[in-house]
Amino acid sequence: AQSVSQHNHHVILSEAASLELGCNYSYGGTVNLFWYVQYPGQHLQLLLKYFSGDPLVKGIKGFEAEFIKSKFSFNLRKPSVQWSDTAEYFCAVNSLSASKIIFGSGTRLSIRP
Amino acid sequence: DTAVSQTPKYLVTQMGNDKSIKCEQNLGHDTMYWYKQDSKKFLKIMFSYNNKELIINETVPNRFSPKSPDKAHLNLHINSLELGDSAVYFCASSPARTEQFFGPGTRLTVL
Repeated sequence: AQSVSQHNHHVILSEAASLELGCNYSYGGTVNLFWYVQYPGQHLQLLLKYFSGDPLVKGIKGFEAEFIKSKFSFNLRKPSVQWSDTAEYFCAVNSLSASKIIFGSGTRLSIRP
Repeated sequence: DTAVSQTPKYLVTQMGNDKSIKCEQNLGHDTMYWYKQDSKKFLKIMFSYNNKELIINETVPNRFSPKSPDKAHLNLHINSLELGDSAVYFCASSPARTEQFFGPGTRLTVL
């Protein structure tokens, strides 16, 4: 079955620390990949997306993600986090043959001021 | 301008009641979705419509019935509400079934 795995359920960092959140998927074939962020009490917003081309994708607020096809991974990174990055982060994947996006279970990021 | 809007934002009701949540998008997208987010933040797709046609119907109790009067609207009606229905319900829309734009959510509390 197609699935998306986010290995870290809760990550706690201090401000200015570097961030990497893992995402692995099990689709075969061509995929579109996404990272969404959900700030406390708010709806999901798109951080970045990968459709094709350069596997290193830059998004909003200093986030980036790298698509490694051989590892079926799309990890999210930020070199220096801020307290305002406290949120839930969701990885999502849709294969071009499917009619829906599958979301991972989310990673809660807490930043200590 | 709000791209994807939902009403109401909060809904508190008794078990056994019937309620509806409305969703509208002004993005011109063909595809709309309903998701349920539980207390652990797990996001589960419930339904998807493409141009008013149902294309995804996950394993959801038949007490839940979506209705799409036109491609800009996708409403969710829930009959005989149960405690386990308490969650945040998100509507979303997308162009060509790719990235999704989410509404603000409706927090449903069943007492």
